Amino acid sequence: AQSVTQPDIHITVSEGASLELRCNYSYGATPYLFWYVQSPGQGLQLLLKYFSGDTLVQGIKGFEAEFKRSQSSFNLRKPSVHWSDAAEYFCAVGAPETSYDKVIFGPGTSLSVIP
Amino acid sequence: SQTIHQWPATLVQPVGSPLSLECTVEGTSNPNLYWYRQAAGRGLQLLFYSVGIGQISSEVPQNLSASRPQDRQFILSSKKLLLSDSGFYLCAWMPLGGLPEAFFGQGTRLTVV
Repeated sequence: AQSVTQPDIHITVSEGASLELRCNYSYGATPYLFWYVQSPGQGLQLLLKYFSGDTLVQGIKGFEAEFKRSQSSFNLRKPSVHWSDAAEYFCAVGAPETSYDKVIFGPGTSLSVIP
Repeated sequence: SQTIHQWPATLVQPVGSPLSLECTVEGTSNPNLYWYRQAAGRGLQLLFYSVGIGQISSEVPQNLSASRPQDRQFILSSKKLLLSDSGFYLCAWMPLGGLPEAFFGQGTRLTVV
């Protein structure tokens, strides 16, 4: 079945440490890929997106993500985490199977940052 | 620029009461509109989406319904709320025929008591 998975439900990192959040998808063709961030009680903000071209994409707040077709992955990275990065992170997919009309979200990864 | 408004921000309703959540988009025409629900500690579940006035697609069977009476207005309703309807409801829009990038409202926290 078509799905978006985020294997890590919760991650804790120290401030200043590097971060990688994993995302895998199971759609046949190359989908459009997104990472969103959600602060508590708020809506979702787009961090970055991949539609085509360079497989390493840069986003806001110092985040980047790399699309790896062979692994069906779109992992989010940040070289040095700040306390304000603590939030819920969602990977999302827009796929040709859904005529790109729908964006399907993964279950999310909750990030905690310790001083 | 485009903006999306969703209200109310917080709502506490008794079991069996009706529900109406409203979402409006400004600064664009013919958007695709979406309702998502986020249960506590869980991801986002797509409930309904609409590609035009009066056109509603339901993703999951449930106690809720959606309507799109105007191009930029999307309403989520229920005749009788259940405890299981509690959650965080998010409205989103996407440009019709454009790249599928979704823009979200600030959400409504619904607690059914």
